[in-house]
Amino acid sequence: KQEVTQIPAALSVPEGENLVLNCSFTDSAIYNLQWFRQDPGKGLTSLLLIQSSQREQTSGRLNASLDKSSGRSTLYIAASQPGDSATYLCASGDSSYKLIFGSGTRLLVRP
Amino acid sequence: KAGVTQTPRYLIKTRGQQVTLSCSPISGHRSVSWYQQTPGQGLQFLFEYFSETQRNKGNFPGRFSGRQFSNSRSEMNVSTLELGDSALYLCASSLTGQGFEQYFGPGTRLTVT
Repeated sequence: KQEVTQIPAALSVPEGENLVLNCSFTDSAIYNLQWFRQDPGKGLTSLLLIQSSQREQTSGRLNASLDKSSGRSTLYIAASQPGDSATYLCASGDSSYKLIFGSGTRLLVRP
Repeated sequence: KAGVTQTPRYLIKTRGQQVTLSCSPISGHRSVSWYQQTPGQGLQFLFEYFSETQRNKGNFPGRFSGRQFSNSRSEMNVSTLELGDSALYLCASSLTGQGFEQYFGPGTRLTVT
């Protein structure tokens, strides 16, 4: 049974800092790994999708990597801004048509 | 292209009642999934539909049911509501579900009193 873990649970950084969010999964038989952002009380916004055959994906200041052999993915945020403050969730997708979510990392970027 | 829409956005119900939530996927998307989000359990998978067929169901009691229509719109129903059903219910759509990017709606906040 797939389990997804995110560390740290919460993170507070000053504006401008580069940061890394971690996501680990127990079963490497995944189709893809997707990163989301969630603002309080809102739905999920898709940030990046990495297929199992890919090693990384980039979108603006965001870069996500995937290492299936070690069961890890990281989300790198460059030059963080207060508007980046949110909860970041990773989720693994497999053949079962469902996403398995981590519990999220709550990020606060201080001005 | 319009995103995933969910109605209603907020609901307050009493224990024992039933509720129906609606989800309209992105145009062209045929897969619709439902998730329940609570502070204690996080995001949990409810079920997934593709072409009006349920392909997978999460570990929820039979009070939770869903369906998908020929236009890919989906509804989920919760009967005999319990206090523990209070949650944010999120709908996601994708082209075919497997291997494709999932797009989430804004959710329906259900409060059971």
